[in-house]
Amino acid sequence: DTGVSQDPRHKITKRGQNVTFRCDPISEHNRLYWYRQTLGQGPEFLTYFQNEAQLEKSRLLSDRFSAERPKGSFSTLEIQRTEQGDSAMYLCASSPFNSGGSGELFFGEGSRLTVL
Amino acid sequence: AQTVTQSQPEMSVQEAETVTLSCTYDTSESDYYLFWYKQPPSRQMILVIRQEAYKQQNATENRFSVNFQKAAKSFSLKISDSQLGDAAMYFCAYSVQGAQKLVFGQGTRLTINP
Repeated sequence: DTGVSQDPRHKITKRGQNVTFRCDPISEHNRLYWYRQTLGQGPEFLTYFQNEAQLEKSRLLSDRFSAERPKGSFSTLEIQRTEQGDSAMYLCASSPFNSGGSGELFFGEGSRLTVL
Repeated sequence: AQTVTQSQPEMSVQEAETVTLSCTYDTSESDYYLFWYKQPPSRQMILVIRQEAYKQQNATENRFSVNFQKAAKSFSLKISDSQLGDAAMYFCAYSVQGAQKLVFGQGTRLTINP
């Protein structure tokens, strides 16, 4: 299967700890997106990359959050000093360059974070 | 700011029947896309159907069709001949032409009763 993969699928941590999630997009896709989905809500946009360049960040992405895509392939999302409000599903998606605003994103299964 | 509203948190339908999920959106843009995404339990979200705002003809994909009312800013999804595998969360979403992010609604949980 060459879909979007995310790791870990589940993470339980204590408040104040740092966590990192990894996303491996579909190999030929040069756009990569991070979304956050809280229980009972739709996904909220966090940030997106075109190749290694981070082109847009949501105001939801506080200074405790950082995302990287160092070689334009996989991406990491790090949350420092986690808070209980960070508990959510973190979704990664990718799309090819020529999709423009046509919006077909290919999602991974998500990484569920629980902060105790 | 663009917003997407799904007013039905939950819907249920008998297998083989037809169900319609509602969505309204707010935008000042003229060129945009609308989507319905499906999120099965513990599985990844997948695109069900897409509508370009400049097209008057409603999009159709097999048993899935939309009713796009641009003036009313309404975009409903009709599922015909419902199947057990259609059970999922359904999200309406919007993107501006050329933009890279989707704005999602709150979702509608669809249950199929055998």
